[in-house]
Amino acid sequence: EDQVTQSPEALRLQEGESSSLNCSYTVSGLRGLFWYRQDPGKGPEFLFTLYSAGEEKEKERLKATLTKKESFLHITAPKPEDSATYLCAVQASSGGSNYKLTFGKGTLLTVNP
Amino acid sequence: DAEITQSPRHKITETGRQVTLACHQTWNHNNMFWYRQDLGHGLRLIHYSYGVQDTNKGEVSDGYSVSRSNTEDLPLTLESAASSQTSVYFCASSEQVSVGKLFFGSGTQLSVL
Repeated sequence: EDQVTQSPEALRLQEGESSSLNCSYTVSGLRGLFWYRQDPGKGPEFLFTLYSAGEEKEKERLKATLTKKESFLHITAPKPEDSATYLCAVQASSGGSNYKLTFGKGTLLTVNP
Repeated sequence: DAEITQSPRHKITETGRQVTLACHQTWNHNNMFWYRQDLGHGLRLIHYSYGVQDTNKGEVSDGYSVSRSNTEDLPLTLESAASSQTSVYFCASSEQVSVGKLFFGSGTQLSVL
């Protein structure tokens, strides 16, 4: 069974204090790993897709990286508007259906001014 | 701009009643999904559809049904609402070639009393 574990569950940073969120996964063949951002009262918003170990993607203050066992979401010099819950999901390449995403429970990031 | 809309945003119902949640997308995506989100759990897939007249069960489909009569809409029906179905429900859609890049609606908060 595919599993995704995100840590920490919650993270509080001061504005400008860089840090990383972790997403550890177990999957029977990785088709893709996805990062989403979710603001309170809203649906998740897509951030990145990573396909293979060593791949990196960047968007503004966020950079996602991937190894064979985990992914990191690095946040450089965060601002209060980066406060949100960050979700990680994996999609397996094996099996008859290509639909299934397994989501982690998320990391709640709070950036204080 | 293309979007995906859910209605209602909030719904309170009684145990045993039938409830239908609406989802409408203007992305012209073939793939549509229903998830539920609960504290302590990641997003869990209820039902999904790859196109008109196609519907499939997800990991938590008991007590729910969907139908797909056109590309734009995938209504979710709770046949006989139970308190365990109190949750936030998200509809999502994706392109055929990038199933994991989901576009989510803003969600429906459902309370079953």
